[in-house]
Amino acid sequence: QQPVQSPQAVILREGEDAVINCSSSKALYSVHWYRQKHGEAPVFLMILLKGGEQKGHDKISASFNEKKQQSSLYLTASQLSYSGTYFCGTELGGGSNYKLTFGKGTLLTVNP
Amino acid sequence: DTGVSQDPRHKITKRGQNVTFRCDPISEHNRLYWYRQTLGQGPEFLTYFQNEAQLEKSRLLSDRFSAERPKGSFSTLEIQRTEQGDSAMYLCASSLATGGARINEKLFFGSGTQLSVL
Repeated sequence: QQPVQSPQAVILREGEDAVINCSSSKALYSVHWYRQKHGEAPVFLMILLKGGEQKGHDKISASFNEKKQQSSLYLTASQLSYSGTYFCGTELGGGSNYKLTFGKGTLLTVNP
Repeated sequence: DTGVSQDPRHKITKRGQNVTFRCDPISEHNRLYWYRQTLGQGPEFLTYFQNEAQLEKSRLLSDRFSAERPKGSFSTLEIQRTEQGDSAMYLCASSLATGGARINEKLFFGSGTQLSVL
């Protein structure tokens, strides 16, 4: 049930773009994205509730392809502050189960 | 808001001992979650409270784990007879649900309690 994230790690120079993918083998109701910096709590980025929904937050946006059961997080013109581990959390379709299942994370490093 | 607070930040214990962690959610948040995170992994769901009712518990959770949320305010997570495999960061999160059975809102995570079992 755990979603699969790719890539596991990515290194960027400031100003470059990145895409992080999250895919599930099960039908999804929603996808949530969080960022966690070393030694800190995960911080909410966005929720995608509908198939095909795209959301944006500053230069970070995401899409959700319900048919393919996958979501992608887009980081454009990356900043040093974007460094951290990005997790997608999925809530399954069907009956409610009140839980998010998180992937193993993607470590993003932005260098000057 | 003052954020989700967890106590203690760190706990070192010997195998076989019992430990208890406390979580104080953001005031008026009706949902509270416990997650466990090990190095290189994402948070793993443990249990969920809607106000004072425990509505979901992971099947991976053994009988040594118990959680409470009396009066729908703070919550405690107790681990009895700790094992070395229990070593992890225990995260608490809270949220304000406006209706429905789905997680349609953002979770606010605490900084966690790092447990080391020797």
